[in-house]
Amino acid sequence: GENVEQHPSTLSVQEGDSAVIKCTYSDSASNYFPWYKQELGKRPQLIIDIRSNVGEKKDQRIAVTLNKTAKHFSLHITETQPEDSAVYFCAATTRRNTNAGKSTFGDGTTLTVKP
Amino acid sequence: NAGVTQTPKFQVLKTGQSMTLQCAQDMNHNSMYWYRQDPGMGLRLIYYSASEGTTDKGEVPNGYNVSRLNKREFSLRLESAAPSQTSVYFCASSDPTSGGLAKNIQYFGAGTRLSVL
Repeated sequence: GENVEQHPSTLSVQEGDSAVIKCTYSDSASNYFPWYKQELGKRPQLIIDIRSNVGEKKDQRIAVTLNKTAKHFSLHITETQPEDSAVYFCAATTRRNTNAGKSTFGDGTTLTVKP
Repeated sequence: NAGVTQTPKFQVLKTGQSMTLQCAQDMNHNSMYWYRQDPGMGLRLIYYSASEGTTDKGEVPNGYNVSRLNKREFSLRLESAAPSQTSVYFCASSDPTSGGLAKNIQYFGAGTRLSVL
């Protein structure tokens, strides 16, 4: 099955700096890559996603890049703010699972933004 | 429109007791999922249901059973709880039949925090 590795497990940055979280996946059939944000004690919520036929997608301060050849994708947060502090999960969905919408998640990155 | 609703929010069990976690969604989604979340281990899929009437095992199904009661409801049962099942449990749903990227977006419930003593 699909295996997703996420790094780093913890990340601490100063407010205003950028943060980058990286994920690798194993199944070349994966075609959809979402990122979820989970604030302390809350449920995971989608913040951005990308399909395998696109190399980059941006939404205000958040961007995701995908390198299909190397099987890795990254989340970039610019001008970080204290409210960006949370656990971030990457995920990969394989084409054959698309009908079930089943995703494999990374282990998460705890981002702390220091004021 | 409440989204995905889970009950209970908290539960404490003794080893060997049984219980059922309830999940319901009002978004008319076909697919539903149960995950467990343990510190440092992300979200691990226990069982999922691609559509009403079907269920399949995920990564960590041992010790659990599920029922897709109808399109709205998907329950998770612990027949004989063990301390290793202490975790936060999340239910989620998605709609693979919708168009574009939306079909893969998973919507999560608020979670059930379970402790097994």
